[in-house]
Amino acid sequence: EAQVTQNPRYLITVTGKKLTVTCSQNMNHEYMSWYRQDPGLGLRQIYYSMNVEVTDKGDVPEGYKVSRKEKRNFPLILESPSPNQTSLYFCASRTGAFSNQPQHFGDGTRLSIL
Amino acid sequence: AQSVTQPDIHITVSEGASLELRCNYSYGATPYLFWYVQSPGQGLQLLLKYFSGDTLVQGIKGFEAEFKRSQSSFNLRKPSVHWSDAAEYFCAVGTGGGNKLTFGTGTQLKVEL
Repeated sequence: EAQVTQNPRYLITVTGKKLTVTCSQNMNHEYMSWYRQDPGLGLRQIYYSMNVEVTDKGDVPEGYKVSRKEKRNFPLILESPSPNQTSLYFCASRTGAFSNQPQHFGDGTRLSIL
Repeated sequence: AQSVTQPDIHITVSEGASLELRCNYSYGATPYLFWYVQSPGQGLQLLLKYFSGDTLVQGIKGFEAEFKRSQSSFNLRKPSVHWSDAAEYFCAVGTGGGNKLTFGTGTQLKVEL
């Protein structure tokens, strides 16, 4: 089954404790992206990747890092999480170099930073 | 920078009634435009997209949207709403070849039986 898998689905942690949210897709997609969703703000793009070793900033990259060492994986790293990063996070992937294909979304990761 | 405005935070319609969700965008060039739907506890699902050509685009689940350049709008419509359409709907504009996506704040649709 074609899918985008995020782990963990839920995480409660404390300020400053490094964490990684993994994202894996089994569709051999070139493009992957991370979003955060906050009430009243909709979804905002954090980072995206066009292919292995190619990443670029979205609208809200501050406080986040990403890497794309393998085509299937696109982890989101919070080096020193802060409470304002409490949010619902989505990973998505899409085939092709152009956006005329739909993005497939994961089920989301809910992070709470205390 | 591009932006997307969805002026209606909540909309309630009766089952069987028609629906129109509004979306206005701001972008200097021809945009890539999308509508996504999010059911509770789920990720987002693409309903339809516009890149060029025919300004009336058809999507899944009986939805359609019309691109109006003069009004910078891309409104979503459905002639007859079903109770299962209750969800949150997001309009998005893509730039950078469509690889950078900016979403609107969403419209929550409630369907009354």
